[in-house]
Amino acid sequence: AQTVTQSQPEMSVQEAETVTLSCTYDTSESDYYLFWYKQPPSRQMILVIRQEAYKQQNATENRFSVNFQKAAKSFSLKISDSQLGDAAMYFCAYRPDSNYQLIWGAGTKLIIKP
Amino acid sequence: DAGVIQSPRHEVTEMGQEVTLRCKPISGHDYLFWYRQTMMRGLELLIYFNNNVPIDDSGMPEDRFSAKMPNASFSTLKIQPSEPRDSAVYFCASRRGLYNEQFFGPGTRLTVL
Repeated sequence: AQTVTQSQPEMSVQEAETVTLSCTYDTSESDYYLFWYKQPPSRQMILVIRQEAYKQQNATENRFSVNFQKAAKSFSLKISDSQLGDAAMYFCAYRPDSNYQLIWGAGTKLIIKP
Repeated sequence: DAGVIQSPRHEVTEMGQEVTLRCKPISGHDYLFWYRQTMMRGLELLIYFNNNVPIDDSGMPEDRFSAKMPNASFSTLKIQPSEPRDSAVYFCASRRGLYNEQFFGPGTRLTVL
């Protein structure tokens, strides 16, 4: 079965510091996509970053970057220079190329300490 | 573009009543998804459409739930009759093509008393 695991229910970080959220997944597919979504208290689900499995280069979006380890089936999110507005639930999601559905992790609540 | 639009944002109803949730996808998007989010079960896909046709409704919990997409710019999720365990946040999302990301609406928080 394809599963996504986020082992950290909650993380906290001091403002301006760096934090890494972990995500692992289980699949036998070779082609797939990985996503990190952010859900702030407003409930809106916002795409933070995406990674195609066939790309070796790690995706980066401003202060957000990923560490994609395909062999280890790991897809962590690094947030640099944390800001108060980064406080949210972060969800890791996986989508195989053979199926159009997203498989979601349980989420990590990120707390930013001022 | 205005993004995915959902209405209402909040709905409080009594057990046994019919509830209709509405969604307008982003123009040009040919996939539409309905999700339910609860603390216990996380984010669950209920059903998705491609070009207005339901493709997979295996996530719909019971016959009390039904979804329609009469045209490319409108979809509804109906619960009849509603029960307290249906209380959740319901999201609609849309996507253009097979390989792009999904864009989510703001969600509808449903409370069934």
